[in-house]
Amino acid sequence: GDSVTQMEGPVTLSEEAFLTINCTYTATGYPSLFWYVQYPGEGLQLLLKATKADDKGSNKGFEATYRKETTSFHLEKGSVQVSDSAVYFCASGGGYQKVTFGIGTKLQVIP
Amino acid sequence: DAGVTQSPTHLIKTRGQHVTLRCSPISGHKSVSWYQQVLGQGPQFIFQYYEKEERGRGNFPDRFSARQFPNYSSELNVNALLLGDSALYLCASSLTGVAGSYNEQFFGPGTRLTVL
Repeated sequence: GDSVTQMEGPVTLSEEAFLTINCTYTATGYPSLFWYVQYPGEGLQLLLKATKADDKGSNKGFEATYRKETTSFHLEKGSVQVSDSAVYFCASGGGYQKVTFGIGTKLQVIP
Repeated sequence: DAGVTQSPTHLIKTRGQHVTLRCSPISGHKSVSWYQQVLGQGPQFIFQYYEKEERGRGNFPDRFSARQFPNYSSELNVNALLLGDSALYLCASSLTGVAGSYNEQFFGPGTRLTVL
C-alpha cells in the first residue's frame, strides 16, 4: 500500500536558519503530494501541494518539488522564523480522498 | 465562512463503552473523511463518505462505523472502546469525492477521545 516516510524530529533551528525536512513516498500511480502543518493547539492546515512530477508547490516561503525519479517531496525554507514552530506532515493522495500521512516532524525555532 | 466543525471537543470514556463523534462540513462540500491521529503519529485514514455513500475505508476494525446525512454532516461511531482508541479524531471535508481526482481537504480541529 501507499506509504510516506519523513525524517523524525524534533528539529531545532535558530531563527533565520535554512530548513530542510526530507520526505519520500511509495504509491501506485502518480499521487498528489502535500505538506500539512499543525500549529500547537490547532488543526491541520494545507501548506502546499504538487499534483504532478516536477511541479513545485510554494507558500509562505516554503517550497517543495515533486521528484518522481527519487520519489521525494522535500520541504525547504530559506530563513525560518519563530512563528514557523509547528509539526509538519508530508502526505500523498490518490483517487478519491484518502490521504496517507507521514509520522510528522516537529520543528522548533529558537530566537 | 465557517470551517469544518466537530463536536464534542473533548470526550472521556471507559473501556467497552460506545462513542459518537460528529462533523459538519464546510457549506457546499459533499465529501467527508475521518482520520485517527494517535499522539506522536500522523493521521490514519478511517473512512470517506461522498453523497451519503461510503467510498473508502482504511484498515480499522468493524467496531468503527460512520454515516453521512442528507445535509452532508457525518457521524463516526466506535463500539466496545479499547484503551488504544484514545486519539484525536479528525474530520475533513472537500467539494467532491470523485475517483481519479483530488479536491483539497479542509480539516476540523478534531475531537480528543480519552479511553480509561
